[in-house]
Amino acid sequence: GQQLNQSPQSMFIQEGEDVSMNCTSSSIFNTWLWYKQDPGEGPVLLIALYKAGELTSNGRLTAQFGITRKDSFLNISASIPSDVGIYFCAGQLTGGSNYKLTFGKGTLLTVNP
Amino acid sequence: DSGVTQTPKHLITATGQRVTLRCSPRSGDLSVYWYQQSLDQGLQFLIQYYNGEERAKGNILERFSAQQFPDLHSELNLSSLELGDSALYFCASSVGFLAGNIQYFGAGTRLSVL
Repeated sequence: GQQLNQSPQSMFIQEGEDVSMNCTSSSIFNTWLWYKQDPGEGPVLLIALYKAGELTSNGRLTAQFGITRKDSFLNISASIPSDVGIYFCAGQLTGGSNYKLTFGKGTLLTVNP
Repeated sequence: DSGVTQTPKHLITATGQRVTLRCSPRSGDLSVYWYQQSLDQGLQFLIQYYNGEERAKGNILERFSAQQFPDLHSELNLSSLELGDSALYFCASSVGFLAGNIQYFGAGTRLSVL
């Protein structure tokens, strides 16, 4: 089945630093999504990407859908303490009847004030 | 608040028992998805329903079953529970079932099997 490799597994940064994380897949996706999960909560959608090469921003967050459709990255600029959490990439494939999300294992982000 | 409601928030039970997890989707959403989150496997898709009918199955064990009722709420039934079933179970909902329909997640049910 499809597998997503998300890296890094964890990051420890100082407040104000920029952060970059990425996902690669063994096969193509038609949609890439980035979610954030806080302790005790469900994943919350940050950014959705629908087209190869697409670059989308949401405040301090920027994500790109790779040209090969097998990868995506998420950048967070000028990190703040509330950015702490687990960030997940997810891919979705059109066609057939299954539009499930395939998730990466997550990147745990710690921001030191 | 995503608008997706899951109950209960926590569930503690013993091996061999059966439990039911409940999910109310966002108002207007017809699709419901169930996911299992464990430390070793991450977030894994279990099953999807659309307007009362099963649409897709993922890595769902035969001991697990789900249904979506006419009022669109869904229940996930877990039976003959094993220690390894301890995990967070998330429900998500979306307007439809096609790609591009954003899935919104509930806060999850934490199941502990002792």
